[in-house]
Amino acid sequence: QLVLTQSPSASASLGASVKLTCTLSSGHSNYAIAWHQQQPEKGPRYLMRLDRDGSHTKGDGIPDRFSGSTSGAERYLTISSLQSEDEADYYCQTWGTGIVVFGGGTKLTVL
Amino acid sequence: EVQLSESGGGLVQPGGSLRLSCAASGFTFSSYTMSWVRQAPGKGLEWVSAISGSGDSTYYADSVKGRFTISRDNSKNTLYLQMNSQRAEDTAVYYCAKSRAINSYLIDFWGQGTLVTVSA
Repeated sequence: QLVLTQSPSASASLGASVKLTCTLSSGHSNYAIAWHQQQPEKGPRYLMRLDRDGSHTKGDGIPDRFSGSTSGAERYLTISSLQSEDEADYYCQTWGTGIVVFGGGTKLTVL
Repeated sequence: EVQLSESGGGLVQPGGSLRLSCAASGFTFSSYTMSWVRQAPGKGLEWVSAISGSGDSTYYADSVKGRFTISRDNSKNTLYLQMNSQRAEDTAVYYCAKSRAINSYLIDFWGQGTLVTVSA
């Protein structure tokens, strides 16, 4: 079964860096994913596609502070030089035959 | 510029029906798969349904299978979601979403959402 697992919460200080993790279920470690950001009271925004080899394609206007990387079944989103507007929910997403899957989301708090 | 604009949300009674529309512009609509994703109050994102570029293939989450129908009119650049036999748990903001390519369901653009409230 295709499942994405995310930690419910994370926190980091203003100006610091944070690395969020999305884990693909067993047998699905080669899947590409997408990262999406949802700021409070707003709709989701596409951040990037992240492939199994760590290559990533960002959406229009996404700052260089956002980057992605991969290790096995883990897909990471790193945000550097954290700003207050980065406080948001972050979701990973993938797809398989006949199904689209979202992770449960990580709520990022910027301290 | 890519734009997705949902409409058709509102208040509906349990057991009732509603049809959502999503008007697309700024890209070749028929060349991309499309999805509906919802978010219940205070909850995470939940995939509802997806459709191929031609409309020949459709997919549904188990929670809506048999009650909801996704369709598209490529001549009108519009995506639809027909929602029947609605339940309180269908209350959510419904987002229309565009995928990256015709052979992918990775989302790369979202609409602003439309609120559906199922209540007596």
